[in-house]
Amino acid sequence: DARVTQTPRHKVTEMGQEVTMRCQPILGHNTVFWYRQTMMQGLELLAYFRNRAPLDDSGMPKDRFSAEMPDATLATLKIQPSEPRDSAVYFCASGPGQGRAKNIQYFGAGTRLSVL
Amino acid sequence: GESVGLHLPTLSVQEGDNSIINCAYSNSASDYFIWYKQESGKGPQFIIDIRSNMDKRQGQRVTVLLNKTVKHLSLQIAATQPGDSAVYFCAENTPTYSGAGSYQLTFGKGTKLSVIP
Repeated sequence: DARVTQTPRHKVTEMGQEVTMRCQPILGHNTVFWYRQTMMQGLELLAYFRNRAPLDDSGMPKDRFSAEMPDATLATLKIQPSEPRDSAVYFCASGPGQGRAKNIQYFGAGTRLSVL
Repeated sequence: GESVGLHLPTLSVQEGDNSIINCAYSNSASDYFIWYKQESGKGPQFIIDIRSNMDKRQGQRVTVLLNKTVKHLSLQIAATQPGDSAVYFCAENTPTYSGAGSYQLTFGKGTKLSVIP
């Protein structure tokens, strides 16, 4: 049963600390997305990649956030330094990026981040 | 103090009845639409999709209707069950012509479905 895997599932940290969230996309998928979900803003797109190249990161605060794909099986989202307003659930999604289903995105279970 | 958040539209339905969840999408150039279901503590889960060259598509217990004239999408769930309780999101894809293609989805704010046993 192919699925997007995110780690950690929960993270509690103190303001100023670095946070790294990891995502393993579904094998064979070539698009990867990072979203943030809060009660205030709903689901917001932060960044996305195709074939490991960043296509759009306009939704991401660039002074503290960074997203990378070191290889096809790993995507990372880092926050440094973290702030209380970063508290949210962060989702990774991947998609085939081709064929009839190219725009379908499959979501992981999310990382719930609390910054104290 | 009082917390302020998104006030999700809520639909309460008796178990066994049919549910209809509505969505107004924003871009008349969008040509592909998806409905997602998000249960508490989980990520959004793909339910069904439809392309703009269709006005109806059926799945197992679900039907999506598309009205491009008024930019409206609906999700119908037949014989609603307690397991259908969740937040439902519509999402749209708007094509670009940059050569790279657009893979982004724009998500709506969601509707909370509560099923009364």
